[in-house]
Amino acid sequence: QVQLVQSGAEVKKPGASVKVSCKTSGYTFTSYDITWVRQAPGQGLEWMGWMNPNSANTAYAQKFQGRVTMTRDTSVNTAYMELSSLRSEDTAVYYCARFIAEAGKLDYWGQGTLVTVSS
Amino acid sequence: EIVLTQSPGTLSLSPGERATLSCRASQSVSSSSLAWYQQKPGQAPRLLIYGASSRATGIPDRFTGSGSGTDFTLTISRLQPEDFAMYYCQQHGTSRYTFGQGTKVEIK
Repeated sequence: QVQLVQSGAEVKKPGASVKVSCKTSGYTFTSYDITWVRQAPGQGLEWMGWMNPNSANTAYAQKFQGRVTMTRDTSVNTAYMELSSLRSEDTAVYYCARFIAEAGKLDYWGQGTLVTVSS
Repeated sequence: EIVLTQSPGTLSLSPGERATLSCRASQSVSSSSLAWYQQKPGQAPRLLIYGASSRATGIPDRFTGSGSGTDFTLTISRLQPEDFAMYYCQQHGTSRYTFGQGTKVEIK
């Protein structure tokens, strides 16, 4: 069965970077895009960007341009999202999700990773 | 960037009632590019509807998506206790995708 399993919770200081992993299984990793979405406490869903694991092409939300990097390691079927220059407003749960472009759907989601930014 | 505006912000209804949720786009969105998600506290979002009107696998037929252009609707025909949750629409009509701010369906 399709699974996306994310790395554990992180606590970071302002100005630091965080790298969240999303290990996939149950399907061909390079066949579908991976999207990253975050959710601040009590807030809605915010799209951060996507990555094509086959080509490594990416597209980022303008808000995160210059601070976010999405990568992958095809040898371990894992996607990564790194966010730099962290500030308190980046405290959120970060989700990865598989995107089926042809059908326009985020059909499988990771369990989420809580990133807390605090001094 | 396409902005999605959902209304109402909160819908207070009783089990068995009909829920109608709206999602309006700031510019026309292809129907194939509009999806709806349900989220319960402490859980990841769950896909309900894609392509504006196609139900995802395992989604009951009381959930119906409709609309085109800039106006889309999610209807829940008879609310069940497990349907009280947050609902988000999302578009991917351009290379940069966006979510609506969400509608909370709460028990009246």
